[in-house]
Amino acid sequence: EIVLTQSPGTLSLSPGERATLSCGASQSVSRSYLAWYQQKPGQAPRLLIYDASSRSTGIPDRFSGSGSGTDFTLTISRLEPEDFAVYYCHQYGTSPRTFGQGTKVEIK
Amino acid sequence: VQLVESGGGLVQPGGSLRLSCAASGFTVSAHFMTWVRQAPGKGLEWVSILYRGGTTYYADSVKGRFIISRDTPKNTLYLQMNNLRAADTAVYYCARDIWFDPWGQGTLVTVSS
Repeated sequence: EIVLTQSPGTLSLSPGERATLSCGASQSVSRSYLAWYQQKPGQAPRLLIYDASSRSTGIPDRFSGSGSGTDFTLTISRLEPEDFAVYYCHQYGTSPRTFGQGTKVEIK
Repeated sequence: VQLVESGGGLVQPGGSLRLSCAASGFTVSAHFMTWVRQAPGKGLEWVSILYRGGTTYYADSVKGRFIISRDTPKNTLYLQMNNLRAADTAVYYCARDIWFDPWGQGTLVTVSS
């Protein structure tokens, strides 16, 4: 099983700042099959990024993904008020599919 | 494109429940379909996936107790959950495709005596 470790656990930032979230895998993620999701309280997760760097339909371009192998990054270039949420990475290249434990982006 | 889960509720340990995920705007049998759960206050846990060709995979935590299936005429995905445990208490989401998009709104399953 591929274990995904997200860091930091909590990120305290102000609107307009840049957020950098990391996701490390215990072994290489096949074909960079890694996705990022955003989840707000009481809501279902929403896909932001798939295949490590492709933005899902309707996702603003302030969200970007990068990385390969065992190290992946989600960057939010300038935080908007609606971006404060929990973010999860997920690998779908190998069964069982696994998720990271999440990074909470909170208002400083 | 929409997914709507139903069938959650309160069940005693050892009991059974069947969740449904009704799809609209696309054909369930033409896509990978998955179930993911989230225990209260916790992160996301993948549960099961059903490939287009019918192959199924399960998390070790539910293997032998849960069964994923689909009804093509009804365009609906199911999760039959047997021998339920307290640790199965969670919101259960269905989602489409290998990168899980979109998601349904979730249905809460509570296993308690």
